[in-house]
Amino acid sequence: AQSVTQLDSHVSVSEGTPVLLRCNYSSSYSPSLFWYVQHPNKGLQLLLKYTSAATLVKGINGFEAEFKKSETSFHLTKPSAHMSDAAEYFCVVSPHRDDKIIFGKGTRLHILP
Amino acid sequence: DTGVSQNPRHKITKRGQNVTFRCDPISEHNRLYWYRQTLGQGPEFLTYFQNEAQLEKSRLLSDRFSAERPKGSFSTLEIQRTEQGDSAMYLCASSSPGSPLHFGNGTRLTVT
Repeated sequence: AQSVTQLDSHVSVSEGTPVLLRCNYSSSYSPSLFWYVQHPNKGLQLLLKYTSAATLVKGINGFEAEFKKSETSFHLTKPSAHMSDAAEYFCVVSPHRDDKIIFGKGTRLHILP
Repeated sequence: DTGVSQNPRHKITKRGQNVTFRCDPISEHNRLYWYRQTLGQGPEFLTYFQNEAQLEKSRLLSDRFSAERPKGSFSTLEIQRTEQGDSAMYLCASSSPGSPLHFGNGTRLTVT
């Protein structure tokens, strides 16, 4: 079965330090992978997407993610956290062109001053 | 591209009443999804369509919920005999296969 697992429900980092949000997926095919962000009381915004081109994907607001097929991972990183990054982040997989899109349970990112 | 449009933005209803929400997807997208989101939780999959065909419906969804997408364009989500537990944000999204979801702003349902 296709699935996506976000390994941490909460992550806290200090402002200016690196961010790592972990995501593992399970798919029988080469998937498309996405990260979405949701700020409090706001809608879902696409951060970045992987669709079988370059394995290192750059997104908005300084975020990037690396697709590692051998590890079935698609972790989200940012070199230096900013207070405005505090939000909920969702890893999303489209396992195959004909399969439905699956959301992870989300990781809440807290930024400490 | 005018984006995904959902109406109404807010709906307040009394328990036991029926409600219907509408979603207009991006015109060139053949896939349309419905999700439900409650406070502090991630989007919960409800159902999705490819063109006019409903390909999957969540097993968590009771028979009180039904969705349609006539002619493969807009979609409606109906909830019959609403319960307080139905209170949530109902999100619609559209996409092409393998492409990201584009979300609407959602319909917030409050059942009193």
